[in-house]
Amino acid sequence: EVQLVQSGAEVKKPGESLRISCKGSGYSLTGHWVGWVRQMPGKGLEWMGIIYPDDSDTRYSPSFQGQVTMSADKSISTAYLQWSSLKASDTAMYYCARKHSNYEHFFDYWGQGTLVTVSS
Amino acid sequence: EIVMTQSPATLSVSPGERATLSCRASQSVSNSLAWYQQKPGQAPRLLIYGASTRATGIPARFSGSGSGTEFTLTISSLQSEDFAVYYCQQYNNWPPYPFGQGTKLEIK
Repeated sequence: EVQLVQSGAEVKKPGESLRISCKGSGYSLTGHWVGWVRQMPGKGLEWMGIIYPDDSDTRYSPSFQGQVTMSADKSISTAYLQWSSLKASDTAMYYCARKHSNYEHFFDYWGQGTLVTVSS
Repeated sequence: EIVMTQSPATLSVSPGERATLSCRASQSVSNSLAWYQQKPGQAPRLLIYGASTRATGIPARFSGSGSGTEFTLTISSLQSEDFAVYYCQQYNNWPPYPFGQGTKLEIK
């Protein structure tokens, strides 16, 4: 069974750094792009970007370019989303998800989400 | 960048009735359109891809139609577990692949 298991909730202060993770089980993370989706409190889904763990090729939404960094370690089937300096506006639920294939760019499996709270 | 617009924002329907949700793209996305369901406190779940193909395990009461810029998700006979927020997403024009703002389906 394909599963994406995300790291636990985080509470951080503005200016701090953070890296959250997404581990694939039931399938190798390689061979599929992994995406990240933000959901701010009470709001809709925002497509942030995708990474190909095989070679760490990344594509960012213009809205998130320069704001976050996506990375991956294929040897442990894990993708990461990181911030170098958090802001209160980064408070949100973050989901990772598996892109279906190289030619079909929807997400077929989702992680359970990681809640990030940034507050002084 | 393509903009996806869903309507209505909120739809009130009685159990057993039909629900029709709409999604419009600002330019043609062919049939590269997916629908997701999100219940409170849960991750989104894929319902439909390719505008009309049900994902694995999705009941037949869910159906999708449309192509180009106009798409519809129909739930033929609403069950209690269907009340949720529904999002469309285009994946034709790369990238990003934006979602619509969502339609909340609530019990009437």
